[in-house]
Amino acid sequence: DGGITQSPKYLFRKEGQNVTLSCEQNLNHDAMYWYRQDPGQGLRLIYYSQIVNDFQKGDIAEGYSVSREKKESFPLTVTSAQKNPTAFYLCASSPTGTGNTIYFGEGSWLTVV
Amino acid sequence: DQQVKQNSPSLSVQEGRISILNCDYTNSMFDYFLWYKKYPAEGPTFLISISSIKDKNEDGRFTVFLNKSAKHLSLHIVPSQPGDSAVYFCAARPPYSGTYKYIFGTGTRLKVLA
Repeated sequence: DGGITQSPKYLFRKEGQNVTLSCEQNLNHDAMYWYRQDPGQGLRLIYYSQIVNDFQKGDIAEGYSVSREKKESFPLTVTSAQKNPTAFYLCASSPTGTGNTIYFGEGSWLTVV
Repeated sequence: DQQVKQNSPSLSVQEGRISILNCDYTNSMFDYFLWYKKYPAEGPTFLISISSIKDKNEDGRFTVFLNKSAKHLSLHIVPSQPGDSAVYFCAARPPYSGTYKYIFGTGTRLKVLA
């Protein structure tokens, strides 16, 4: 089945540690995205990539980093510089960066303890 | 100022009746709109979309209406089923922009009562 797979589903991190969230898609989509969801807020864009080996900061990129070495993969690293990392993280993709619809993965819960 | 607002945090509807979820936006130039359904601890699932050149789009039990003069979008679910209980998000895209520019509402929690 085609889709977007995020792992891990739940992750606990100690303060000061970096953590990487995995996102893999087999939809052959060019564009991929990372969003963050906090209670009572809409989804906020962290980073996006419209093509392999290229990515751009979104609205809340501080404290995060990404890479796009393969079309299928867009991992997100939450660094110790991120002040409030506890959140629900969503990876998404779209056929192109100029298309109409975004498709989401199942999400990853990150809790900093 | 570009905002997308879902002013009703929650809505309860009896099974079999119509559910109407609302979304207001501030930029009259937004050119494409999306609706998503989200269950707890899962990612949003795409439901239906509409272009600004249309005022209605249907897909099965789901119909989206666009009132451009009022800058208002609504999702109708008929008939409502218990499995429709979820959080519904709308999203709008500014004109001449990429998919990464979508602005999301805060969501409305729908509860369909059996």
